[in-house]
Amino acid sequence: QQQVKQSPQSLIVQKGGISIINCAYENTAFDYFPWYQQFPGKGPALLIAIRPDVSEKKEGRFTISFNKSAKQFSLHIMDSQPGDSATYFCAAKTGNQFYFGTGTSLTVIP
Amino acid sequence: DADVTQTPRNRITKTGKRIMLECSQTKGHDRMYWYRQDPGLGLRLIYYSFDVKDINKGEISDGYSVSRQAQAKFSLSLESAIPNQTALYFCATSKGGQALYGYTFGSGTRLTVV
Repeated sequence: QQQVKQSPQSLIVQKGGISIINCAYENTAFDYFPWYQQFPGKGPALLIAIRPDVSEKKEGRFTISFNKSAKQFSLHIMDSQPGDSATYFCAAKTGNQFYFGTGTSLTVIP
Repeated sequence: DADVTQTPRNRITKTGKRIMLECSQTKGHDRMYWYRQDPGLGLRLIYYSFDVKDINKGEISDGYSVSRQAQAKFSLSLESAIPNQTALYFCATSKGGQALYGYTFGSGTRLTVV
């Protein structure tokens, strides 16, 4: 059973556009929600993260929106660039364990 | 040098063979993990270790075993490899009490079982 459901599986966006990736969860014990970025041939790397007591966190062009009541969170990439083309994973933590979404392959077209 | 080094990077092995994947880290982290990545399934936890004497099963530990030889080394073994263990395997580390800093992942080992 997938603890964190991620959509879409793949996404194609024009350069300069907004990329939006969504995740949903059921377990209210989750207390930390990171996003990881993975380039081909590399391991995932922490991109940005949020606690559930905050509704939004922004770092440069990357923003996490968090809706605690809906148990949903999303990653927004503003002014998407070809260099953002990668696979993105959402995750959620409870206790000492992280649970990952299934990943979204983002392609930004020049 | 990479903070988390996995060897080998690629491996093709035959069904029934024993194979070991190795991970070493220079982060000084106490916690180490083995994940498996499959298309459409994301990252799934195989085993994790919070220190040298601590080994814990993850959600998909069947068919795998691990050894924590030192704080910096954590190896994953497939005792008798089978084709559905073909996947991309990642080692990750973290520091206890600093979960908010997330994991540091290695570059992965692509394993093919034929």
